[in-house]
Amino acid sequence: AQSVAQPEDQVNVAEGNPLTVKCTYSVSGNPYLFWYVQYPNRGLQFLLKYITGDNLVKGSYGFEAEFNKSQTSFHLKKPSALVSDSALYFCAVRDDSNYQLIWGAGTKLIIKP
Amino acid sequence: DAGVIQSPRHEVTEMGQEVTLRCKPISGHNSLFWYRQTMMRGLELLIYFNNNVPIDDSGMPEDRFSAKMPNASFSTLKIQPSEPRDSAVYFCASSRGLAGGVIYEQYFGPGTRLTVT
Repeated sequence: AQSVAQPEDQVNVAEGNPLTVKCTYSVSGNPYLFWYVQYPNRGLQFLLKYITGDNLVKGSYGFEAEFNKSQTSFHLKKPSALVSDSALYFCAVRDDSNYQLIWGAGTKLIIKP
Repeated sequence: DAGVIQSPRHEVTEMGQEVTLRCKPISGHNSLFWYRQTMMRGLELLIYFNNNVPIDDSGMPEDRFSAKMPNASFSTLKIQPSEPRDSAVYFCASSRGLAGGVIYEQYFGPGTRLTVT
């Protein structure tokens, strides 16, 4: 069965420090992985995706994510956090056999000045 | 690009009333998804359409929920009769397609916050 785990409910980072939001997945076929961000009272916004190719994917707002097949992980990273990055982050996965995205529970990212 | 448009943004209704949520997908997108978000259950897929045809409605919680997509630019999600436990934020999302070997991301609307009293 397909699944996504975001092991941290909340991540706290000081402004200017690097940040990592973790995501691990389980699929039967080739994984297609996505990160979305949700600001308060807003819809989800697409950040980046991994389909194939380079394991390091760059996305919007300076975010990037690294696909690690052996560890079945797709962690979201940013070299220097901004207070405005504070939001709820969702990881999602699908594979070839299922059109549906399987969503993680979300990780609340808090960047403190 | 106007993005996905949802209406109303907020809906407050009494238990037993009919509620209709509306969605206009991004022009050119042929897949449409309805989601529900609550604190308890997170983000749940209710139903999705491809080329106006419902593909999977297994996420629809009960027969009280129904969804239609009469054309490529409009979809509705109806709850009749509504109950307090239906209170949630309902999102509509669209994407360019579900097949053809290309994996497209979904674009979300701003959501409809439904409160059933």
